[in-house]
Amino acid sequence: AQKVTQAQTEISVVEKEDVTLDCVYETRDTTYYLFWYKQPPSGELVFLIRRNSFDEQNEISGRYSWNFQKSTSSFNFTITASQVVDSAVYFCALFTTSGTYKYIFGTGTRLKVLA
Amino acid sequence: DAGVIQSPRHEVTEMGQEVTLRCKPISGHNSLFWYRQTMMRGLELLIYFNNNVPIDDSGMPEDRFSAKMPNASFSTLKIQPSEPRDSAVYFCASSLGTASNYGYTFGSGTRLTVV
Repeated sequence: AQKVTQAQTEISVVEKEDVTLDCVYETRDTTYYLFWYKQPPSGELVFLIRRNSFDEQNEISGRYSWNFQKSTSSFNFTITASQVVDSAVYFCALFTTSGTYKYIFGTGTRLKVLA
Repeated sequence: DAGVIQSPRHEVTEMGQEVTLRCKPISGHNSLFWYRQTMMRGLELLIYFNNNVPIDDSGMPEDRFSAKMPNASFSTLKIQPSEPRDSAVYFCASSLGTASNYGYTFGSGTRLTVV
């Protein structure tokens, strides 16, 4: 079975705090891709990052960083020095190359950054 | 590029009426996806097209839903007759290829309310 679990439904932090959003996935495929999307209050879904299953290097982009660990089937997302503009719902997604080539989204984590 | 364009942004209709949602993908993208987002079920893939051909419509809830892509620059999702449980945000997304190497670009969504 293919599945994405985002156990944190909602997180609240105070501005400038660091916050980590968890994502755990399940797949039997050896080739797959993991994504994070951001959905701000305006409603659109914004692509943040893609990682393939053969590349376990962590990635940093400004205040954002991602930690991919195949041993624990996790692809966690950390925001350093959070800002109010980071308030959004964040979705983790799994894309596999078997079956019908489609995303499986997690249920999302709502992040509230308080001023 | 203007991105993926969806219309209307908001639609309120009475139960039993026909509803048509429209999507213009990014020029040059050859895959188009329709998603539905609800609080209860999260993001669900309804159908996707590749080169204007429906590839997987297993997510279409029932015969009341139909989708067409008459050309590379336009797609519709039709609900007839609509029911209150169809109330949701419907997203259209497009990508180059099957999105294994690229994230999707999502439209801003159509918020459908069936009363």
